[in-house]
Amino acid sequence: AQKVTQAQTEISVVEKEDVTLDCVYETRDTTYYLFWYKQPPSGELVFLIRRNSFDEQNEISGRYSWNFQKSTSSFNFTITASQVVDSAVYFCALILYNQGGKLIFGQGTELSVKP
Amino acid sequence: ETGVTQSPTHLIKTRGQQVTLRCSSQSGHNTVSWYQQALGQGPQFIFQYYREEENGRGNFPPRFSGLQFPNYSSELNVNALELDDSALYLCASSLGARSPNNEQFFGPGTRLTVL
Repeated sequence: AQKVTQAQTEISVVEKEDVTLDCVYETRDTTYYLFWYKQPPSGELVFLIRRNSFDEQNEISGRYSWNFQKSTSSFNFTITASQVVDSAVYFCALILYNQGGKLIFGQGTELSVKP
Repeated sequence: ETGVTQSPTHLIKTRGQQVTLRCSSQSGHNTVSWYQQALGQGPQFIFQYYREEENGRGNFPPRFSGLQFPNYSSELNVNALELDDSALYLCASSLGARSPNNEQFFGPGTRLTVL
């Protein structure tokens, strides 16, 4: 069975601190995609990044960076110099290649950035 | 380009009633997926519609049903409502059903409360 685990339920940091959100996934499939979504209080899920299982290259986008390690089945997300606007619930998700529509989400990590 | 829209925004029903939620997909998208997000949890996949046919279903009972129309908009129907059906219902549209590489664009959701 496939599963995504986000062990951190809530994280609270002070503005300008760096913060890492952990994501561990389980699947026996060799071809899959991993995602991160942001859910602000408005409720709409906002796409942040997609990674396929054959591309372990880390990625940086502005203050955001992602560390994908197949050896530990982890896809962690780091926000550098956090800002109050980063406050939201962040979800890690998995799609198997042969189940194109079914996103499997973790339980989410609620990030609170205080000024 | 019009994004994904959902109606209504909020809904209150009583146990045993039936409810219909609506979703308009993003322009050019032919695939709609529905997710249920209980409070404090990650979204759970209900089903997906591609070109007016169900194209995959999660672990939800038959009283959860759906439709997709020729313009690719979609409805989610829930019969015999139970208290545990209280949740945020999210609709996501994408182009193409089978490719997990296709980004799913989410609507703002419908908050359903069952009393």
